[in-house]
Amino acid sequence: AQSVSQHNHHVILSEAASLELGCNYSYGGTVNLFWYVQYPGQHLQLLLKYFSGDPLVKGIKGFEAEFIKSKFSFNLRKPSVQWSDTAEYFCAVRGTDSWGKLQFGAGTQVVVTP
Amino acid sequence: DAGVTQSPTHLIKTRGQQVTLRCSPKSGHDTVSWYQQALGQGPQFIFQYYEEEERQRGNFPDRFSGHQFPNYSSELNVNALLLGDSALYLCASRPTSGSSYNEQFFGPGTRLTVL
Repeated sequence: AQSVSQHNHHVILSEAASLELGCNYSYGGTVNLFWYVQYPGQHLQLLLKYFSGDPLVKGIKGFEAEFIKSKFSFNLRKPSVQWSDTAEYFCAVRGTDSWGKLQFGAGTQVVVTP
Repeated sequence: DAGVTQSPTHLIKTRGQQVTLRCSPKSGHDTVSWYQQALGQGPQFIFQYYEEEERQRGNFPDRFSGHQFPNYSSELNVNALLLGDSALYLCASRPTSGSSYNEQFFGPGTRLTVL
């Protein structure tokens, strides 16, 4: 069965600090990987996605993620966060043999202090 | 270009009642999925509709049912509401072809409270 594990439930950091959010998944096949973000009062938005090719993918707002197949991981990074990055971040997995079902992690609430 | 829209925004029901939530997909999208997001958790897949048929279903009881109309809009119905059904219900749409084929676009959700 698919499962997605996000390492931290809450992260608090100061502006300009670096951010790394861990995501590990379990799935017995080829997967597509996603990071979604939910800003306060807004709906889920896609930050970045990995389907194939270069395992280092770049998304919007300076975020990037690295797919490490051997570790079943897809960690999200940003070198220098801003107050506006305060949000909840969700890692999600879709099996390529699946019609489109996304399996989400529990989410990480990130708070950036000025 | 309107994104995914959902109605109503908020809803309060009592145990045992029935509820219908509505979703209009993003223009050009023909596949609709529904997710339940309980407080403090990630979204959980309920089911997906394409060509007016349920194509895939998550681990939800038969009390949860849906429908897709010829214009691709969709409804989620929940019967015999339980307190545990209180959650944010998200609708997501995607096309079945094109460059956005593997991306799901989410609506703002309907907040259901069961008392």
